[in-house]
Amino acid sequence: AQTVTQSQPEMSVQEAETVTLSCTYDTSENNYYLFWYKQPPSRQMILVIRQEAYKQQNATENRFSVNFQKAAKSFSLKISDSQLGDTAMYFCASTSGTYKYIFGTGTRLKVLA
Amino acid sequence: DTGVSQDPRHKITKRGQNVTFRCDPISEHNRLYWYRQTLGQGPEFLTYFQNEAQLEKSRLLSDRFSAERPKGSFSTLEIQRTEQGDSAMYLCASSWGQSFYGYTFGSGTRLTVV
Repeated sequence: AQTVTQSQPEMSVQEAETVTLSCTYDTSENNYYLFWYKQPPSRQMILVIRQEAYKQQNATENRFSVNFQKAAKSFSLKISDSQLGDTAMYFCASTSGTYKYIFGTGTRLKVLA
Repeated sequence: DTGVSQDPRHKITKRGQNVTFRCDPISEHNRLYWYRQTLGQGPEFLTYFQNEAQLEKSRLLSDRFSAERPKGSFSTLEIQRTEQGDSAMYLCASSWGQSFYGYTFGSGTRLTVV
């Protein structure tokens, strides 16, 4: 069975600074995909970034990047130049590519002005 | 592309009543998913449709829950004889083909059972 663990319930960062959110996972699948989703207060969840496990290169989307350590089963999200609009719950998720996602419990990020 | 729409946004009901939620996916998406999110937890998978066929139901989906997707378009999730433990955010998502490209989520329906 797949599991996803986010050990940081809450974090805060000063505007314009860099913050890293942690995620570890466990899976017996050889091929799987990892995601970070952002859920702003009272708004829908949106995809931030995705990583294909068979690709060694870390994914990057503008100010968002991941540090994917396959052997350690670690998948952290780095947010550079943090903005007030980054304040949200962040969920790490995994899927073996069929249909079902397994989500972590989330990290509440607050960006301070 | 107007995104995934869910209705209603909020629902307060008395214990024992039946409730029904609606989800309108992105029109080109053939796959539709329902998840439940309780306070302090990540979303948990409930059920999945490919076109009009319901292909999997989680053990979380007791016999009081039923979901349909007639004609492979919108979907409804009905909860009969609601219990306080059913209070949660019910999220709908859709995708085209395999899920590894990512879902598009709706804003959710928040259910409160009193």
